[in-house]
Amino acid sequence: DTGVSQDPRHKITKRGQNVTFRCDPISEHNRLYWYRQTLGQGPEFLTYFQNEAQLEKSRLLSDRFSAERPKGSFSTLEIQRTEQGDSAMYLCASSYDRMNTEAFFGQGTRLTVV
Amino acid sequence: DQQVKQNSPSLSVQEGRISILNCDYTNSMFDYFLWYKKYPAEGPTFLISISSIKDKNEDGRFTVFLNKSAKHLSLHIVPSQPGDSAVYFCAASETNFGNEKLTFGTGTRLTIIP
Repeated sequence: DTGVSQDPRHKITKRGQNVTFRCDPISEHNRLYWYRQTLGQGPEFLTYFQNEAQLEKSRLLSDRFSAERPKGSFSTLEIQRTEQGDSAMYLCASSYDRMNTEAFFGQGTRLTVV
Repeated sequence: DQQVKQNSPSLSVQEGRISILNCDYTNSMFDYFLWYKKYPAEGPTFLISISSIKDKNEDGRFTVFLNKSAKHLSLHIVPSQPGDSAVYFCAASETNFGNEKLTFGTGTRLTIIP
């Protein structure tokens, strides 16, 4: 399967714990995005990578959130000191580095903070 | 401020008939528009897109229409099939030599009645 892969699919954590999610994009894709989706809403942009460089972060991404893309391949999203409001579906997407091109999404990581 | 709006949370259509999903946007800088389909517990799947230089794009049973003056686009599915039952998201982006982050609407749940 050469699609976008995310791990884990589900994560339940206690409030205050740290969690880390992984995304493996389609191998030829230079662009990588993280989005967050809550119930009844569409996905909301969190951050964007061009190769290994993180070029934009949404104001939704508080200081407790950090993302990396070492070597421009897979990416990780870490949430420190999780709060109940962090419960959501975290989606990763990747695309070719060209204009007007569609992004392909992974299946997402469902985070539940209890 | 919701820059992409899908005002119909749900829509039911008889199998074989036409499904029309609507989307409005407010940001005049958006010039690339996409429709994604989402099944429960999965990531969004790209369906069809349209650039602002066009007013129509067709791909099999799916046609997207763009009315720039009204800042409105619609997705037509004909004929509708039971497998089309899903949540449909409209998304928009600004052409960029790099970050083409997507702004999503809140989605329309389409149910095809056999």
